[in-house]
Amino acid sequence: GESVGLHLPTLSVQEGDNSIINCAYSNSASDYFIWYKQESGKGPQFIIDIRSNMDKRQGQRVTVLLNKTVKHLSLQIAATQPGDSAVYFCAEETNAGNMLTFGGGTRLMVKP
Amino acid sequence: DTEVTQTPKHLVMGMTNKKSLKCEQHMGHRAMYWYKQKAKKPPELMFVYSYEKLSINESVPSRFSPECPNSSLLNLHLHALQPEDSALYLCASSQASGGSYEQYFGPGTRLTVT
Repeated sequence: GESVGLHLPTLSVQEGDNSIINCAYSNSASDYFIWYKQESGKGPQFIIDIRSNMDKRQGQRVTVLLNKTVKHLSLQIAATQPGDSAVYFCAEETNAGNMLTFGGGTRLMVKP
Repeated sequence: DTEVTQTPKHLVMGMTNKKSLKCEQHMGHRAMYWYKQKAKKPPELMFVYSYEKLSINESVPSRFSPECPNSSLLNLHLHALQPEDSALYLCASSQASGGSYEQYFGPGTRLTVT
């Protein structure tokens, strides 16, 4: 399930299940979006990106969906594995470039 | 090579010390960034260099002084820091402006100010 509170929101899933991590972005002028994965003690690692002229993009085991009408971004991870356990951040950027604004992050915990 | 390296990995400094954080990339990127990240929070942009020139300073206190000696190197000079400056400092690089591009992050320097 998903919990939201004073701490980082956490999504707990069973190994092998699909995961969906959601993000509401703030700037309607943003036209480039990235999902990053950050493991403990490491820097953010690029997962997948999408530009505003698309509403879906697929990678290996990951899919990003973009709904510009409601300013919503989601990351779907298929067949979640223990190695997917990390904090996931969405980030948005306007056409001016160079300024990424990160969302608050969601911790994904995968139960074996 | 898609790696951004940062040194040192950990740094403990007193409030009167002067120290520097270093970042290096060899991907030919002409935009480099400093971010600050507190525990359980997202990275917050501090500075952006584009073609070795400071293009964005997000109202960072002057006790943080960035420097970009060449297109591969980025430094962050620290002086008279406060305990609340303790955080993970992340460096990133990307293709320069003219569009939006993926930023590659280094592993960070864990800074503790005592």
